[in-house]
Amino acid sequence: RKEVEQDPGPFNVPEGATVAFNCTYSNSASQSFFWYRQDCRKEPKLLMSVYSSGNEDGRFTAQLNRASQYISLLIRDSKLSDSATYLCVVKKISNFGNEKLTFGTGTRLTIIP
Amino acid sequence: DVKVTQSSRYLVKRTGEKVFLECVQDMDHENMFWYRQDPGLGLRLIYFSYDVKMKEKGDIPEGYSVSREKKERFSLILESASTNQTSMYLCASSLPSVYGYTFGSGTRLTVV
Repeated sequence: RKEVEQDPGPFNVPEGATVAFNCTYSNSASQSFFWYRQDCRKEPKLLMSVYSSGNEDGRFTAQLNRASQYISLLIRDSKLSDSATYLCVVKKISNFGNEKLTFGTGTRLTIIP
Repeated sequence: DVKVTQSSRYLVKRTGEKVFLECVQDMDHENMFWYRQDPGLGLRLIYFSYDVKMKEKGDIPEGYSVSREKKERFSLILESASTNQTSMYLCASSLPSVYGYTFGSGTRLTVV
């Protein structure tokens, strides 16, 4: 089983719609959670962190359910510029204090005019 | 802005060649990482380093080595390139306990 699993998509969504992505992780020792965005042929960039209480950044809302080991990202009023691959990312700290990020394979989103 | 610079955007090498991929960051970050990214497999960690001259194996270190002689520079070495090492290679850096990784723009390596 992969450590971080995402639906690869593609999600083709009309402009203005709301879209939600889900992600599950297998290691209960995971401590921090993130969504990264990767545009075609570009490097991943941090979109937002994910907190247990849920957090919002403009049109983007992230949720974490530690009991179910489940992370979500909601995009409201989607724009053409939201077209990208969204990577679910999990961080854990080893016994030696070293941190390590594990990336999901990504969910591809295309916003259709 | 933190900048992570990878020396080459595109590289073509022959099977058996020794290949060096260079990564330099300009924000005094302790942590540096090398990932490879392949379709359907996502980003996979090859090696990482938390300090000068220090290195740790990631999830797929076979066929690779690394060097970190200076804090700002982290090199990935393919001792004898093989066609299955054709991939996008991404370098990243971060500060300890700070969540964001900053990635370089990647090196697309083709081994023929």
